[in-house]
Amino acid sequence: GQQVMQIPQYQHVQEGEDFTTYCNSSTTLSNIQWYKQRPGGHPVFLIQLVKSGEVKKQKRLTFQFGEAKKNSSLHITATQTTDVGTYFCAGPGSGGSNYKLTFGKGTLLTVNP
Amino acid sequence: EAQVTQNPRYLITVTGKKLTVTCSQNMNHEYMSWYRQDPGLGLRQIYYSMNVEVTDKGDVPEGYKVSRKEKRNFPLILESPSPNQTSLYFCASSFLQGPNEKLFFGSGTQLSVL
Repeated sequence: GQQVMQIPQYQHVQEGEDFTTYCNSSTTLSNIQWYKQRPGGHPVFLIQLVKSGEVKKQKRLTFQFGEAKKNSSLHITATQTTDVGTYFCAGPGSGGSNYKLTFGKGTLLTVNP
Repeated sequence: EAQVTQNPRYLITVTGKKLTVTCSQNMNHEYMSWYRQDPGLGLRQIYYSMNVEVTDKGDVPEGYKVSRKEKRNFPLILESPSPNQTSLYFCASSFLQGPNEKLFFGSGTQLSVL
């Protein structure tokens, strides 16, 4: 079945440093979603990317979808302590619909103030 | 307020004692799903449902049952829990098609099976 690989597993940064997490799929994705889970919380939807080469920004967060639609990245500029949490990418199962959404294992970001 | 409600938030039980974790959503979503989250393994799908009376297995369905008799409810049933089912469980829902397929997650149920 489809696998979604995410690296790194952990990332510790000093406040103000940048952070990037990468997501790679074994198959072409119709879309990719990103979620954030704060410590002790539940995953919260951040964004969905659909188009090849798409780049979307949310304040200090930049999301990219690869040209081949097999990889994606999330980049945070000048991290803050509020960015702490686990970031997950998720890709749809066969048929393109999200009914069998497969999550990467996540990247845990910690920020030293 | 649009939300997915899971109960209970915490549950400690013993091996073999049947339990049910409830999940309800008020957004008229067709799609509902259960995930378990374990350290180092991320979120793994247990079962999902595309509509009333339509359910299917996810990646780790063994030892679990679900039902979807009403659109808003999707309970997770452990007929005979075992210690390896100790985990953090999340229910999630979404619209099935179109641009709004983002998942809304419940607050989670931390289950410990002794």
